[in-house]
Amino acid sequence: EVQLLESGGGLVQPGGSLRLSCAASGFTFSSYGMAWVRQAPGKGLEWVSAIGGSGINTFYADSVKGRFTISRDNSKNTLYVQMNNLRADDTALYYCAKERNYRQPFDYWGQGTLVTVSS
Amino acid sequence: EIVLTQSPATLSLSPGERATLSCRASQSVSSYLAWYQQRPGQAPRLLIYDASNRATGIPARFSGSGSGTDFSLTISSLEPEDFAVYYCQQRSSSWTFGQGTKVEIK
Repeated sequence: EVQLLESGGGLVQPGGSLRLSCAASGFTFSSYGMAWVRQAPGKGLEWVSAIGGSGINTFYADSVKGRFTISRDNSKNTLYVQMNNLRADDTALYYCAKERNYRQPFDYWGQGTLVTVSS
Repeated sequence: EIVLTQSPATLSLSPGERATLSCRASQSVSSYLAWYQQRPGQAPRLLIYDASNRATGIPARFSGSGSGTDFSLTISSLEPEDFAVYYCQQRSSSWTFGQGTKVEIK
């Protein structure tokens, strides 16, 4: 059974940093691209970042480019996103998601970890 | 950036009725369009990929169609668990989501 478990969310001040993790199980982690998708309270879904199975290819939404860095450790079956210079509009529930196949839609999602940026 | 516009914003229907949701892209995405369902308090669930292919375990009452810039998701007969928010997503150029259509009980 595929499982994705996010962690690392919390309250952070504007300008601060946070690293989210997503522990994956139930599939061959290194064979699949992964992504982060966020949802601000009461709002829709926003794709944030994606990474290929090897970790070489990375992609970012314009809203986070230069501030967020996605990475993965295939030996630990874990996906990360380092978030720097956080802003109030980064406040959201952050989901980890598995691609169905390379650059395909996301067929499995975690339950999310909440990031709140506030002073 | 490719913008996806979903309509209507809200669809008020009764159980057993047919629902038709629309998603329009600002430029062609070929058939690289997916649909997701999100129930309150839950993560999104993939329903349809590549415009018309049902994901694993998705009931046959869900169907997708379209190509290029105009797409639709049809639920042939609404079940109580189908009342939720639906999002389209394109993967032709980066990834973007539509703003969502809420299907509510009339």
